[in-house]
Amino acid sequence: QVQLKESGPGLVQPAQTLSLTCSVSGFSLTSYTVTWVRQPPGKGLEWIGEIWSDGSTDYNSALKSRLSISRDTSKSQVLLKMNSLQTEDSAIYFCTRARGWYFDFWGPGTMVTVSS
Amino acid sequence: EIVLTQSPTTMAASPGERVTLTCRATSSINYIHWYQQRSGTSPKLWISETSKLASGVPNRFSGRGSGTSYSLTINSLETEDAATYYCQQGYNYPLTFGSGTKLEIK
Repeated sequence: QVQLKESGPGLVQPAQTLSLTCSVSGFSLTSYTVTWVRQPPGKGLEWIGEIWSDGSTDYNSALKSRLSISRDTSKSQVLLKMNSLQTEDSAIYFCTRARGWYFDFWGPGTMVTVSS
Repeated sequence: EIVLTQSPTTMAASPGERVTLTCRATSSINYIHWYQQRSGTSPKLWISETSKLASGVPNRFSGRGSGTSYSLTINSLETEDAATYYCQQGYNYPLTFGSGTKLEIK
């Protein structure tokens, strides 16, 4: 069955770089788009960006200058890197599988706290 | 950027009631998608392309709309429907979500 699972450091210091991994199973990264979405505690959802089945990427323009999404198809992993982290980047980060323009499967999420 | 405004922000209703959640876009879009998020869990796709129920979603749920105005209706509310519901558009970048409607059961 389709599964996604996020992993990451949990705590990141301000101004440092966040690296998250989304490990997928039950589908191929060369057939589906994988998207990152985040949710600050108690708040709504924000689309971060995506990597298409052909490896091309699209990013939220508000985050684009700090963001990189890549993949390792041999490991079925999608990687998110975001630099210059601030406290407002503290959130639960989800990876999702996109089907067309909606998200049909979600990972459980990983909490990222930006704090010194 | 297309902004999605959901209303109400919070609502409480009793089991058996019929409730309607709305989502309005700042410009015309082709579809809306809905997600259900229960407390402490990740969102789940609930309705895609305005009116298509996701797998396992009870048929007391329905979705409709066009242009800038969309809605999700629950006929005969059940306690398990307590959650926050988010709408989402994929018509333009950046993809955006509404701020959610929190549905409580009395």
